[in-house]
Amino acid sequence: AQSVTQPDIHITVSEGASLELRCNYSYGATPYLFWYVQSPGQGLQLLLKYFSGDTLVQGIKGFEAEFKRSQSSFNLRKPSVHWSDAAEYFCAVGFTSGTYKYIFGTGTRLKVLA
Amino acid sequence: ETGVTQSPTHLIKTRGQQVTLRCSSQSGHNTVSWYQQALGQGPQFIFQYYREEENGRGNFPPRFSGLQFPNYSSELNVNALELDDSALYLCASSLRSFATNEKLFFGSGTQLSVL
Repeated sequence: AQSVTQPDIHITVSEGASLELRCNYSYGATPYLFWYVQSPGQGLQLLLKYFSGDTLVQGIKGFEAEFKRSQSSFNLRKPSVHWSDAAEYFCAVGFTSGTYKYIFGTGTRLKVLA
Repeated sequence: ETGVTQSPTHLIKTRGQQVTLRCSSQSGHNTVSWYQQALGQGPQFIFQYYREEENGRGNFPPRFSGLQFPNYSSELNVNALELDDSALYLCASSLRSFATNEKLFFGSGTQLSVL
């Protein structure tokens, strides 16, 4: 069955430090992978996506993610975190099983220290 | 700004009542999906509507139902509310239902509290 695991429930980093959020997926075919960000009380904003091709994808707000098929991972990175990056981050797999839908991970809450 | 609007933003109901949540999809999008996000969890797929027909359903009971209108706006109805139905309900629209690399555009959600 398809699943997405985000091992870190909470992560705290200092402003200006680098960030890596982990995401592992289980899916039998080529995955379509997404990272979304959610601010408190808000909907989900797409940061970046991977469909095929270059395994390092660039997104908005200075984020990037690397797809590693051998590790079934799609980790999100940012070289220098800003206080405004504090939010919850969700990794998702998109797939079709009769209907095209997403499976989301449980999210990682990022706290940024000034 | 995704162009997907949901109403109301917040709602309080009591157990056993019925609720209707509304969603206007992004212009040109003919597919609407609904997700439930419980506190501390990732969103879970409820169902999808494509051209006014239900096009797939997640693991939710029949008391969760929906509609899609000719203008592609949508409603989510929940009957016989239970305490566990308290959650953020997200609507997402997309251009096509069957493309496997489709992006979903999410609204800001309706926060439902069941007392």
